[in-house]
Amino acid sequence: DQQVKQNSPSLSVQEGRISILNCDYTNSMFDYFLWYKKYPAEGPTFLISISSIKDKNEDGRFTVFLNKSAKHLSLHIVPSQPGDSAVYFCAASVLTGNQFYFGTGTSLTVIP
Amino acid sequence: NAGVMQNPRHLVRRRGQEARLRCSPMKGHSHVYWYRQLPEEGLKFMVYLQKENIIDESGMPKERFSAEFPKEGPSILRIQQVVRGDSAAYFCASSGRVDTEAFFGQGTRLTVV
Repeated sequence: DQQVKQNSPSLSVQEGRISILNCDYTNSMFDYFLWYKKYPAEGPTFLISISSIKDKNEDGRFTVFLNKSAKHLSLHIVPSQPGDSAVYFCAASVLTGNQFYFGTGTSLTVIP
Repeated sequence: NAGVMQNPRHLVRRRGQEARLRCSPMKGHSHVYWYRQLPEEGLKFMVYLQKENIIDESGMPKERFSAEFPKEGPSILRIQQVVRGDSAAYFCASSGRVDTEAFFGQGTRLTVV
């Protein structure tokens, strides 16, 4: 049962434009959400997180938006750079729980 | 401060052998998680440990897999009598608290031949 879903396996964006990566979840108990970035043959790297008491969190070029009623979150990268090309994983957890639930990832390609 | 350290990076085992994967969490972190990534799939939770305790092993296969996080030393994920289907990337992550982000190691790529 995939509780966190990333329905777009891949995304291509021109350098300088905005990249929008989407994530949906089914468990209404989730109250902490994270985005990780992963390069081939490396471990995931934490990017940004948001708790359910917020609807937006911004860190430099990265902004995460949370829509609790729609059980949807998105990661915006602007402006996109070629070095952003990687697989992005969305993850969710219950703060009192024991694990992070990951989506299947979206492969972002930023075209120079 | 080194990040989460996993070794070996690559491990090749013949069917039926044992695989031992090691993970040293970040300094000061007492929460350790093991995840597995099969080809073309996302990260799947296996087990969550704190020092000397298994807190949640709901993602661990019932047989052949075990994990520990002793008082001294790294966390160990042990796979006995490996089969081809165990070939995957195994990632360890650690966090300082259960309600903060987890930091991942670079993974161990297990290949069973």
